[in-house]
Amino acid sequence: EQQVQQSPASLVLQEAENAELQCSFSIFTNQVQWFYQRPGGRLVSLLYNPSGTKQSGRLTSTTVIKERRSSLHISSSQITDSGTYLCAMERGTNAYKVIFGKGTHLHVLP
Amino acid sequence: DAGVTQTPRHEVAEKGQTIILKCEPVSGHNDLFWYRQTKIQGLELLSYFRSKSLMEDGGAFKDRFKAEMLNSSFSTLKIQPTEPKDSAVYLCASSASKNTLYFGAGTRLSVL
Repeated sequence: EQQVQQSPASLVLQEAENAELQCSFSIFTNQVQWFYQRPGGRLVSLLYNPSGTKQSGRLTSTTVIKERRSSLHISSSQITDSGTYLCAMERGTNAYKVIFGKGTHLHVLP
Repeated sequence: DAGVTQTPRHEVAEKGQTIILKCEPVSGHNDLFWYRQTKIQGLELLSYFRSKSLMEDGGAFKDRFKAEMLNSSFSTLKIQPTEPKDSAVYLCASSASKNTLYFGAGTRLSVL
């Protein structure tokens, strides 16, 4: 069973458009992180957002734990935003075990 | 401040061989994770250590995959024997507990 579901699986935007990426969990969690990966590149943490809304530059994450979902909003997309965005949750009560979704592949066109 | 270091960056093995991948976490981090990344399955958790203690041994992976943490600054992942389906990128990550994960650049394994 895929415990972390991400949508859409892929997304194509024109530069300067906004993007909304979604993540949902099959079980309750209290820790959510968003990551970014360029093709062939290292996974980089974008936002650590256990609940509520957090912003970093053009990125805004909103997590609603009770509804088992989180979203990542990218405003004014740039070509360099192209890559894969992954959502991750902590699973387990006593251990910090991090499980990932399969990602949203974003392609920003000039 | 050094990040997570993984070696080697690339590994080619014949089917049936034993290979050992290495990871040095960020200094001071007490959580260490091994993941396998493929296009089809995404990131799959193989092992998880907290303060050098094995907390997760990867379920379906445990028959041929063995991760060890000999000290707080070094971990290995042994695959024995390798099979072609093990071809993937193996990622190591570390974190201070309940905090952001920092990933290494990964080891790309090809099993012929």
